[in-house]
This record gives sequence, structure tokens and C-alpha cells, in this order.
Amino acid sequence: EDKVVQSPLSLVVHEGDTVTLNCSYEVTNFRSLLWYKQEKKAPTFLFMLTSSGIEKKSGRLSSILDKKELFSILNITATQTGDSAVYLCAVSSTRGSTLGRLYFGRGTQLTVWP
Amino acid sequence: NAGVTQTPKFQVLKTGQSMTLQCAQDMNHNSMYWYRQDPGMGLRLIYYSASEGTTDKGEVPNGYNVSRLNKREFSLRLESAAPSQTSVYFCASRSGRADYEQYFGPGTRLTVT
Repeated sequence: EDKVVQSPLSLVVHEGDTVTLNCSYEVTNFRSLLWYKQEKKAPTFLFMLTSSGIEKKSGRLSSILDKKELFSILNITATQTGDSAVYLCAVSSTRGSTLGRLYFGRGTQLTVWP
Repeated sequence: NAGVTQTPKFQVLKTGQSMTLQCAQDMNHNSMYWYRQDPGMGLRLIYYSASEGTTDKGEVPNGYNVSRLNKREFSLRLESAAPSQTSVYFCASRSGRADYEQYFGPGTRLTVT
């Protein structure tokens, strides 16, 4: 059975801290790993990673994928209260009829205190 | 360009009632998806439609049916609602090319009493 596991499930930090969110996966015929941010509404796309060892960056957020060890991390530096959200990790597979389907983890609830 | 739209935004049903959740996208995407989200559970796939005219079950299809009415619209029907179906429902779409990013609608919060 395919699965995606995120850790920690929740995290509380103060503004200015740096956080690392983890995502490990076991998915047949892995194609890509995606990170989403969800703030009390629809998830919004952050990154998609397909190649191992190549960092994707967007401002204070960055992510990297390790296809050998089957995990990814999402780093947020100099956190702000606006970073408070649930961060979702999802993995896609190229296997047969599941092409394009995403398998989601449970998410990490990040709370940033001022 | 509205992206993915869902109706209604909120709904309260009594056990045994039926209803249809509507979803439409204006991005000319091929694939569409229905998810449910329960507290601490992430997103679980109910049904999806890889292209117009096809539908497939996801992880949690029991108690639901879907219709891909045309390329734009994908509806989710609860024939006989149960309290276990209380959840937030998200519709998503994807272009169907090599990119795997899915675009999500605003969600429908459903309560079954």
C-alpha cells in the first residue's frame, strides 16, 4: 500500500526561528513530490520536486528531495506569523490508472508565535 | 478566470438525505478529483476522473457516486448521507500533461446530523 508520512504532526515556534518539516514516502513508481500550504482554506501549491538533490527555493522557503532515501524536507527560515498553516506533502505515481493521482500525508500544523 | 469553483460552501444534512456537490473548472484541465479532509487526516481521495468520460475510485469511495458531466464539471453525490460523511470536501483539477500540480477549489463544509 502506498503511503506518505509527515513529521512532526505539529510544531510551535517563535517568529524568526528556522523550521524543518519532513516527508517520507513509499509509493510505487514514484514520479514527483509536491508541497502545499493550507491556511484554513484550499491548499495552495508551493513546490514540485522530481530530481534528487536539486533544491527548489522561493523566498524563505526551500525544499529538497532524496530519492535514494525516499524523503523530502521543507525548510522555512526567519519564520513569520503568516507562515502559520498546515503544510501538506503529496507524492505522485506513474503507475497505470493512477497516473496523476496524488497521495497525501496527514500534514504538519505549523504555528508561529509573534 | 475563476479557476476551480465549488457549490455550496456550507451544507447541513440530516442522516439519510441526499445531495450533490458541484465542481467546475475553467482552465481546460483534463483531470478532476474529489477529496475529503477530516481533522488531522490530510486529504483522502474519494473519486477521480482522468479525462472526460472516465471515472475511478480513490481511497474512500464508499457512500459516494460521481459524474463527469463534461470537461468542465465533476459532481459528487451522496445518496444517503451518514454522520461519518461530515467533512470538508475539496475538488481539484490538473491539466493532464507532465506537470502533476493540482489546483484546488475553496471547499464545501458538510455536516450530517
